[in-house]
Amino acid sequence: GESVGLHLPTLSVQEGDNSIINCAYSNSASDYFIWYKQESGKGPQFIIDIRSNMDKRQGQRVTVLLNKTVKHLSLQIAATQPGDSAVYFCAEGTDDKIIFGKGTRLHILP
Amino acid sequence: EAGVVQSPRYKIIEKKQPVAFWCNPISGHNTLYWYLQNLGQGPELLIRYENEEAVDDSQLPKDRFSAERLKGVDSTLKIQPAELGDSAVYLCASSPDRYNEQFFGPGTRLTVL
Repeated sequence: GESVGLHLPTLSVQEGDNSIINCAYSNSASDYFIWYKQESGKGPQFIIDIRSNMDKRQGQRVTVLLNKTVKHLSLQIAATQPGDSAVYFCAEGTDDKIIFGKGTRLHILP
Repeated sequence: EAGVVQSPRYKIIEKKQPVAFWCNPISGHNTLYWYLQNLGQGPELLIRYENEEAVDDSQLPKDRFSAERLKGVDSTLKIQPAELGDSAVYLCASSPDRYNEQFFGPGTRLTVL
């Protein structure tokens, strides 16, 4: 069946270092992928998305990489800051709906 | 610009009681979603509205859950009767249309005792 999962439930990163959050997906029919950030007590917030016809997309301090061969998605955050501390979800989508993964908590070490 | 508004933010009820959640989407957003989110999990879609029409309610437990969006703006989600397993965060999201970014509200945390 369709599923979206994450390799690591918790990631601890030194402030100032780069963070890489990984995600595996299984539905080859998904045509776009999204990363969300969710802070405590808040709803998910859109970070960046990528269409299936692309393999890389950059935003402000964030880069999403898509490897369709191995059905892998990653989010790279440059120069991680304390404000990046949150749970990050990847999601895969078709025209009908998006399906969220379980989430990775990013913990920033001082 | 105001974001998606949800109320109440927290609700504690005893099992078998009814409960209702309210959502006011971003002005002009035609698509509205209700999600359920368990601790440590990603949101799971319950129902999607295009204006006042429920176009995807396949994951809504219709024996106890109901939703409405009568004028294509505000929406309510109801559970009657609530069960212990319904304890979760109920998120509302809206988007200009289903092809665009979804904007989430802060959610309602429901605790069923």
